[in-house]
Amino acid sequence: NAGVIQTPRHKVTGKGQEATLWCEPISGHSAVFWYRQTIVQGLEFLTYFRNQAPIDDSGMPKERFSAQMPNQSHSTLKIQSTQPQDSAVYLCASLNWGGEDEQYFGPGTRLTVL
Amino acid sequence: GDSVTQKEGLVTLTEGLPVMLNCTYQTIYSNAFLFWYVHYLNESPRLLLKSSTDNKRTEHQGFHATLHKSSSSFHLQKSSAQLSDSALYYCALSLMQQGTGSKLSFGKGAKLTVSP
Repeated sequence: NAGVIQTPRHKVTGKGQEATLWCEPISGHSAVFWYRQTIVQGLEFLTYFRNQAPIDDSGMPKERFSAQMPNQSHSTLKIQSTQPQDSAVYLCASLNWGGEDEQYFGPGTRLTVL
Repeated sequence: GDSVTQKEGLVTLTEGLPVMLNCTYQTIYSNAFLFWYVHYLNESPRLLLKSSTDNKRTEHQGFHATLHKSSSSFHLQKSSAQLSDSALYYCALSLMQQGTGSKLSFGKGAKLTVSP
């Protein structure tokens, strides 16, 4: 079991550029969650999918952020026109829906917007 | 909305002293599940403790916590801090239905530093 895989581990973008972050959940896990971690706000929920369907995106900024889960083996978080305030560690977690209540986190992607 | 409050942002302790990290929560729902996640430097956050049962102590790796629904609290404790306990600790709330997972609402975290 390789755990949740996130790529890239580090990404540096210029202001206004696009950033795409990838997450591969644990095989067999049917729910994927995205969180953002900053020193000021701590861990904030962004969005989640269950069986690839979007369930709750209440934490997603309304502009520039989007997430998809095109198949059960990966999810993407896309940030268009990145801004310095988007700099954070983006964490993905997966869960075996209906089997347990523990979310397993990936190592995160550290996004730095210059 | 649902929220979690962790009062201490930074906690510095000497090895051997007791650890107490506070966590209180707000929700209008009765099916609250409370979690403590620990995040060591250069690792992924991982689950330390969880509970949904009122007034029942839960323990793991020397840490313990008791969910008190009357005071909406789930404080994390350890009798004797170790250097290896230095990490970021997050309290989190989830409103699960029929035991299935849901999104976590986290507190802002407490950075614990244990010194010799």
